[in-house]
Amino acid sequence: KAGVTQTPRYLIKTRGQQVTLSCSPISGHRSVSWYQQTPGQGLQFLFEYFSETQRNKGNFPGRFSGRQFSNSRSEMNVSTLELGDSALYLCASSPGWVMNTEAFFGQGTRLTVV
Amino acid sequence: AQKVTQAQTEISVVEKEDVTLDCVYETRDTTYYLFWYKQPPSGELVFLIRRNSFDEQNEISGRYSWNFQKSTSSFNFTITASQVVDSAVYFCALSDEGTSGSRLTFGEGTQLTVNP
Repeated sequence: KAGVTQTPRYLIKTRGQQVTLSCSPISGHRSVSWYQQTPGQGLQFLFEYFSETQRNKGNFPGRFSGRQFSNSRSEMNVSTLELGDSALYLCASSPGWVMNTEAFFGQGTRLTVV
Repeated sequence: AQKVTQAQTEISVVEKEDVTLDCVYETRDTTYYLFWYKQPPSGELVFLIRRNSFDEQNEISGRYSWNFQKSTSSFNFTITASQVVDSAVYFCALSDEGTSGSRLTFGEGTQLTVNP
């Protein structure tokens, strides 16, 4: 069974640009969550999608957005990039949308903003 | 609001030593779930265990064991006879009714280094 796949693995962008990250969940999983990991703030929840609907959103500015497609694949977009957006972005997939569901994580996309 | 605290930022041990990673959590809910994840240098978070708030039985899986104590709001993780391959960052996490969905609140993580 294939795991969670995130693309690209590494990305370098310039301040002011926008970026789109992709996540393909485990087959059959309908929930996709995104997390940002930085040395200073640790792991922080960005948002969660379930059946193409955003179910939950973390405390991030509107520059961070996402969506989920009918095949459960998800993308997150960051517009007007800032240096502080440099981070490891992790995607997690879960079978359903319940708090006891274990989340399986991808290897992440490391974004560097210069 | 929910919170997870891992007071140990870094731990260094010699191979074959036992090591315990501490985790203290805060939540107002009576129903919640606690998790441990391992993050090797590759970056992927690897699921280790899930425990619900109604099950205080300790669990052992090979060299790993977990001690859940509601009275002290702690969910500690012990590695017995540590090995170099155990070197990684370990995260404790919480999911409760207040957060909804499968959203996880993570602790700061503990960097474990096992030296040969």
